[in-house]
Amino acid sequence: QSVLTQPPSASGTPGQRVTISCSGSSSNIGSNAVNWYQQLPGTAPKLLIYTNNQRPSGVPDRFSGSKSGTSASLAISGLQSEDEADYYCAAWDDSLNGYVFGTGTKVTVL
Amino acid sequence: QVHLVQSGAEVKKPGASVKVSCKVSGYTLTELSMYWVRQAPGKGLEWMGGFDPEDGETIYAQKFQGRVTMTEDTSTDTAYMELSSLRSEDTAVYYCATTNRPLFYGMDVWGQGTTVTVSS
Repeated sequence: QSVLTQPPSASGTPGQRVTISCSGSSSNIGSNAVNWYQQLPGTAPKLLIYTNNQRPSGVPDRFSGSKSGTSASLAISGLQSEDEADYYCAAWDDSLNGYVFGTGTKVTVL
Repeated sequence: QVHLVQSGAEVKKPGASVKVSCKVSGYTLTELSMYWVRQAPGKGLEWMGGFDPEDGETIYAQKFQGRVTMTEDTSTDTAYMELSSLRSEDTAVYYCATTNRPLFYGMDVWGQGTTVTVSS
C-alpha cells in the first residue's frame, strides 16, 4: 500500500484539460520534491516532471506540475489521444528512508 | 546518452532466487546511480532500492531488506539485482532505472524490463 494517494482514473475529451492529484504527508511531499512518471501501455515508465514542475527535454509543455504543502498535481492541457497512459507521482519519504510511488492514475481519452 | 539493457525473462520456483542484470552503455556505471523498481501484473510501481550517492551505500526498501541484494560490476558496467526466497507475489516486471543526478531529480532512464514469473 502506497503512502502517496492518487485517484484511480481520470478522463477527458481531446483538447480538454485533465488534472491528477497526489496526496502525501509531511515526510514525503511536504519535505521533498515530487516527480511524475508516464507509463504508456506495455512500456517502461518515463520521467515526465521532475522537482515538482520541471519538464525533461522532449516533454511537451502541455504537461505541467505543481506542489502545495503535502499535495501535488499534474495537469495535462490540450489532451491528446497519445496521452492515454498510467501516471504516477513519486517522492522521497524521510520516515521510510526510501522513494515512494503514488497509487497511479489511468488517464483515458474519450 | 545512457542506455540500459536488461537480461531476459525468468521462470523460477517458489523458494528459489533470481538475478537480473542491467547493462549500461553511453556512460560508465560509476557516473550513475542505479535503482530497481518492480511492477506486479496489473499493479503500480514499487521502488526496491538503489545506490545512495550521498554516502556511497545501497539503500533497500524496508519491504525487501534481507531478501534483496543489489550489486555492480564496474568492469563491465553491469548492475545486478538478486531476489531470494521467491514467492508467487514476486511475479512482476523488474526494471532498472538510473540518473546521474540526485534521486529527487527523478529516474530519467529506464531499462526495458525483465519479467520474472514465480510458479511451482
